[in-house]
Amino acid sequence: EIVLTQSPGTLSLSPGEGATLSCRASQSVTSTYLAWYQQKPGQAPSLLIYGASSRATGIPDRFSGSGSGTDFTLTISRLEPEDFAVYYCQQYGGSPPMYTFGQGTKLEIK
Amino acid sequence: QLQLQESGPGLVKPSETLSLTCTVSGGSISRSSYYWAWIRQPPGKGLEWIGSTIFYSGRTYYNPSLKSRVSISLDTSKIQFSLEMNSVTAADTAVYYCGRDSRVGYYYYMDVWGKGTTVTVSS
Repeated sequence: EIVLTQSPGTLSLSPGEGATLSCRASQSVTSTYLAWYQQKPGQAPSLLIYGASSRATGIPDRFSGSGSGTDFTLTISRLEPEDFAVYYCQQYGGSPPMYTFGQGTKLEIK
Repeated sequence: QLQLQESGPGLVKPSETLSLTCTVSGGSISRSSYYWAWIRQPPGKGLEWIGSTIFYSGRTYYNPSLKSRVSISLDTSKIQFSLEMNSVTAADTAVYYCGRDSRVGYYYYMDVWGKGTTVTVSS
């Protein structure tokens, strides 16, 4: 099983600032199988980024994803009030192949 | 617009079977690029993939940690898919989500989610 470790666990920032969230895999992940999700309290997760760097439909361009191999990053360039939420990375792979999620990064208002 | 809706009992007794259904509206569940998945989230914790199934080949894939207790099936006539989990314990208490597991070319991601249903395992 491929384990995804996200850091930091909690990130405290102010609106207008930039955020950098990390996702590190225990073994190499195929980039096309790496996705990021946003989850707000009481809601289902929603897809932000797929293929490590492609924004999902309707996602603003302040969200960007990058990385390859075992290190992936979600960057939010200018935080809006609605961006404060929990973010999860997800991958498909391993033996047997399966989906795993990181433990999440909580982005909170400072 | 594709929408998913989970339904089923909110309370299940320990050692019994948890049964949930996901009803799909606004689209088909028989397209070859789409699997149909169940994911769960224990209270205050992260997400866990349970398994995915596809109509096109009839194949179903499960999380190895749950495989012995779980079954996912499709009913194309009702445009639904279902989850059964047997021998439940308190550790199975969670919000259960159904979702579309899109595998388009080399890209794999879950792009449509239901709102989730809370299942509590307690006597």
